[in-house]
Amino acid sequence: NAGVTQTPKFRVLKTGQSMTLLCAQDMNHEYMYWYRQDPGMGLRLIHYSVGEGTTAKGEVPDGYNVSRLKKQNFLLGLESAAPSQTSVYFCASSYSRLANTGELFFGEGSRLTVL
Amino acid sequence: KNQVEQSPQSLIILEGKNCTLQCNYTVSPFSNLRWYKQDTGRGPVSLTIMTFSENTKSNGRYTATLDADTKQSSLHITASQLSDSASYICVVSRGAGKSTFGDGTTLTVKP
Repeated sequence: NAGVTQTPKFRVLKTGQSMTLLCAQDMNHEYMYWYRQDPGMGLRLIHYSVGEGTTAKGEVPDGYNVSRLKKQNFLLGLESAAPSQTSVYFCASSYSRLANTGELFFGEGSRLTVL
Repeated sequence: KNQVEQSPQSLIILEGKNCTLQCNYTVSPFSNLRWYKQDTGRGPVSLTIMTFSENTKSNGRYTATLDADTKQSSLHITASQLSDSASYICVVSRGAGKSTFGDGTTLTVKP
């Protein structure tokens, strides 16, 4: 049981390049999330999804796009990377709100550096 | 504004000692409060989850308390071990997938 898997784990980009981070979960969770974590700051929500085919903006969505074509996958895209997007990105998933615990299961993180 | 404030920002203790981390929040409405442990270079892992009606929850040497009236929570670590060195994050949920994260407390346990 892998839980939440993120790929790639590390990536270096040049300003203006594009890339996609992939998150896969095998727990049949409805909710999936993308966060970024910067030094000295709490995790901030970029985008989230409450089910297959749906996405919604979080606190810091600018410069990112997401897609949830399959229930188990949640993709985070950067169309034109900027140095301000240098960060560690975490994917998480959780049961639907009907399950009421709201516990988040996190991946191991993807460290992105934009030069 | 929905906020979660954690204190202290960092803490150093000797192995075997106890410590208490604090979390104050202004999040509303309140669904649940969770404490996570994040080892360096890893993703956060859940330690405890408490709903409005729960005052205390234990997970081994970790005991979390919640005072919903004063909107305060604490995480008490007993008989600390070197492996407890990590960042501890308080997260308050408003339900429907909306969570507010604290900045975390970095704990260092020294031999």
